[in-house]
Amino acid sequence: DAMVIQNPRYQVTQFGKPVTLSCSQTLNHNVMYWYQQKSSQAPKLLFHYYDKDFNNEADTPDNFQSRRPNTSFCFLDIRSPGLGDAAMYLCATSNLGSSYEQYFGPGTRLTVT
Amino acid sequence: LAKTTQPISMDSYEGQEVNITCSHNNIATNDYITWYQQFPSQGPRFIIQGYKTKVTNEVASLFIPADRKSSTLSLPRVSLSDTAVYYCLVGEARSGNTGKLIFGQGTTLQVKP
Repeated sequence: DAMVIQNPRYQVTQFGKPVTLSCSQTLNHNVMYWYQQKSSQAPKLLFHYYDKDFNNEADTPDNFQSRRPNTSFCFLDIRSPGLGDAAMYLCATSNLGSSYEQYFGPGTRLTVT
Repeated sequence: LAKTTQPISMDSYEGQEVNITCSHNNIATNDYITWYQQFPSQGPRFIIQGYKTKVTNEVASLFIPADRKSSTLSLPRVSLSDTAVYYCLVGEARSGNTGKLIFGQGTTLQVKP
């Protein structure tokens, strides 16, 4: 089945230690998104790629970076995680023509110790 | 992007029809209304999208009055597995737009036996 895959599902990192979260898709969608969802809150868009064009949200901290080496893969890098970065990180994809119908992965739950 | 207002929580019983209303008073002419469902520890899932009048699919119906300042998601005969958070989103879904989803607080639906 076509899907959005996130690895790992659970990630523990230490305060200040860089961490990378991975997302892959078999849907061949041209748009990929990263959302942050903290406990009991709604998902919040961090940034998205349309093909290789990167679009950062104005309030996304500089601590968060992303890479999209090809259509299938997208990475979220947190350069120096703080305790406040503990959250569920969700990857989503869509086609440009139906961009409000986004397909989400299961998420990676990040714990910062 | 139009702001949305939904009830924070709702309770229902198995077998009942559930209607969740969303207010979006400043909806723009080009805006569509989209609903997502999110189970605990999973990514959101697209349910339904509409522009005006009524849209129905295998999961739900979406009712939009003529002034489009509100919409109602209708879930027929809910079961325990419909317990989830339901998000109403409003935004421009025209071709060429990369679909910036701004999630509001959502409605937590609790279905009881």
